[in-house]
Amino acid sequence: AQTVTQSQPEMSVQEAETVTLSCTYDTSESDYYLFWYKQPPSRQMILVIRQEAYKQQNATENRFSVNFQKAAKSFSLKISDSQLGDAAMYFCAYRRTSGSRLTFGEGTQLTVNP
Amino acid sequence: DAGVIQSPRHEVTEMGQEVTLRCKPISGHNSLFWYRQTMMRGLELLIYFNNNVPIDDSGMPEDRFSAKMPNASFSTLKIQPSEPRDSAVYFCASSLNRAETQYFGPGTRLLVL
Repeated sequence: AQTVTQSQPEMSVQEAETVTLSCTYDTSESDYYLFWYKQPPSRQMILVIRQEAYKQQNATENRFSVNFQKAAKSFSLKISDSQLGDAAMYFCAYRRTSGSRLTFGEGTQLTVNP
Repeated sequence: DAGVIQSPRHEVTEMGQEVTLRCKPISGHNSLFWYRQTMMRGLELLIYFNNNVPIDDSGMPEDRFSAKMPNASFSTLKIQPSEPRDSAVYFCASSLNRAETQYFGPGTRLLVL
């Protein structure tokens, strides 16, 4: 069974600085997708970024980028120039290419200090 | 373009009562997912539909839970009878097809007293 682990229950960062959130996963599949979702206090789940396992190039969306290490089964999220609005719970998620079920990590609560 | 719509946003009920949660997926999406989020278990998939047909309901906790999708634009998740341990945030998500990115609704916060 696939598992996703986020070892940092809480992280904090100063406004305008950079923070990296960690995620590791376990799978025997070779084709899969990885996601980062953001959940602000409103509880809405918002897609931040997506990575296809067959792509070696790390995905980037504006201030958000990932460091995808397939051999190490690691998928970290880097937030540059952190803003107050980035404060939220961040979830790492996995899905097999041939499947539909998303498997989520436990989440990392990010605080942005002004 | 409207996102996934869920209603109600908040529900407070008493143990033993029937609860019905509603979801309208993004227009054109043919896969719909119901998730539950609790402190103890995190986010977990309850059931998902593809083209209105239930594909995987292995996450449905027990017979008290049922889900339907009578058409492409509407789904319900029903709990009957409800119990305090059902208190959670229930999310509906939809995707263009079963292999595409899932987009979540705002969730329904359910409290069973």
